[in-house]
Amino acid sequence: GESVGLHLPTLSVQEGDNSIINCAYSNSASDYFIWYKQESGKGPQFIIDIRSNMDKRQGQRVTVLLNKTVKHLSLQIAATQPGDSAVYFCAERVSAGKSTFGDGTTLTVKP
Amino acid sequence: DGGITQSPKYLFRKEGQNVTLSCEQNLNHDAMYWYRQDPGQGLRLIYYSQIVNDFQKGDIAEGYSVSREKKESFPLTVTSAQKNPTAFYLCASSMETGGREKLFFGSGTQLSVL
Repeated sequence: GESVGLHLPTLSVQEGDNSIINCAYSNSASDYFIWYKQESGKGPQFIIDIRSNMDKRQGQRVTVLLNKTVKHLSLQIAATQPGDSAVYFCAERVSAGKSTFGDGTTLTVKP
Repeated sequence: DGGITQSPKYLFRKEGQNVTLSCEQNLNHDAMYWYRQDPGQGLRLIYYSQIVNDFQKGDIAEGYSVSREKKESFPLTVTSAQKNPTAFYLCASSMETGGREKLFFGSGTQLSVL
């Protein structure tokens, strides 16, 4: 069977490796999901989004996977760089104008 | 430069005092939001407004108030009824296009109690 990634509050990877950040969401009716990156002392920045009618979307060095069966979202970062070090949040749109954020994962990239 | 401007960056509140956090956007977005972030935690929704002169309570609205008299502005007042106001406050705006609605955030206001 398919394994579901565990949400970890921290993740440490070596520069150049791929990173996978996991998120479990709560509402089966959520129709839209976003990943944000937050650097220390700043507001979150949009990375990539996906609508519920898709299961995969790719951007530049990032891929988001959505598994609605188990309500799981993941963010994959290819060839992780030191500038990728930040806190990553997933968000689900639960209703019009209202998004709920996960607890976040702190990614540390070791040179 | 288009964006969200929050001020001040740091704010101190005395006991029993109301304080107001400013948020201005020049992105022509209809919707605006206020989130609270505590250390090591995610963002929790305080209030949101989808259109001028209208706003709704989020998940943690108690002790806070807002107004939306202009499209560009969405100030947040932290009242004396908010007993634990120390947190990082984030304002955001958004516009929905084709079912997608990404949030644009300001740089935040750190509120502390003296």
